[in-house]
Amino acid sequence: AQSVAQPEDQVNVAEGNPLTVKCTYSVSGNPYLFWYVQYPNRGLQFLLKYITGDNLVKGSYGFEAEFNKSQTSFHLKKPSALVSDSALYFCAVRGISGTYKYIFGTGTRLKVLA
Amino acid sequence: GAGVSQSPSNKVTEKGKDVELRCDPISGHTALYWYRQRLGQGLEFLIYFQGNSAPDKSGLPSDRFSAERTGESVSTLTIQRTQQEDSAVYLCASSGLGHLNTEAFFGQGTRLTVV
Repeated sequence: AQSVAQPEDQVNVAEGNPLTVKCTYSVSGNPYLFWYVQYPNRGLQFLLKYITGDNLVKGSYGFEAEFNKSQTSFHLKKPSALVSDSALYFCAVRGISGTYKYIFGTGTRLKVLA
Repeated sequence: GAGVSQSPSNKVTEKGKDVELRCDPISGHTALYWYRQRLGQGLEFLIYFQGNSAPDKSGLPSDRFSAERTGESVSTLTIQRTQQEDSAVYLCASSGLGHLNTEAFFGQGTRLTVV
């Protein structure tokens, strides 16, 4: 069965500092991995994805994520955090065969302090 | 349209009434998904459509919940005899299935309040 874990309910970081939001996954075979962001009272916005190829993928708003197959992780990173990055972040996995549903983690609230 | 559209954006209903939630996916997207998000919580998968058929409806909580999709386009999620526990934001998403267009795009959601 597919699953995603986001071990931190909340991450606090000072503005200008690098940020990391952690995600680990469990899936049979090769996964498709995604990060989404949710601002208050809004739907989810797609940030980036890993399908294949380079382990470091770049996405919207300066975010990037590193795929690590041996550690089954897909951590979200940004070199310099902005106050406006404060939001709820979800990691998701989708299988490449069989069921195509997306399984989401429980979310990590990122708070960037000015 | 340019994005996934959901209606209504807000719905308040009395316990025991039936409600219908509508989703218009991005044109050409063959896959359509419904999720539920309770206040302060993550996304709970409900059902997935491929075209007009639903190969995975394992997340529907009870037989009070049903969904259909027609014309490989619009989908409706119906909740019969609503209960207070059904109060949540219902999110719809659509995606292609090709190798290059795997990400799902979400609508703004329908906030359902059962009183």
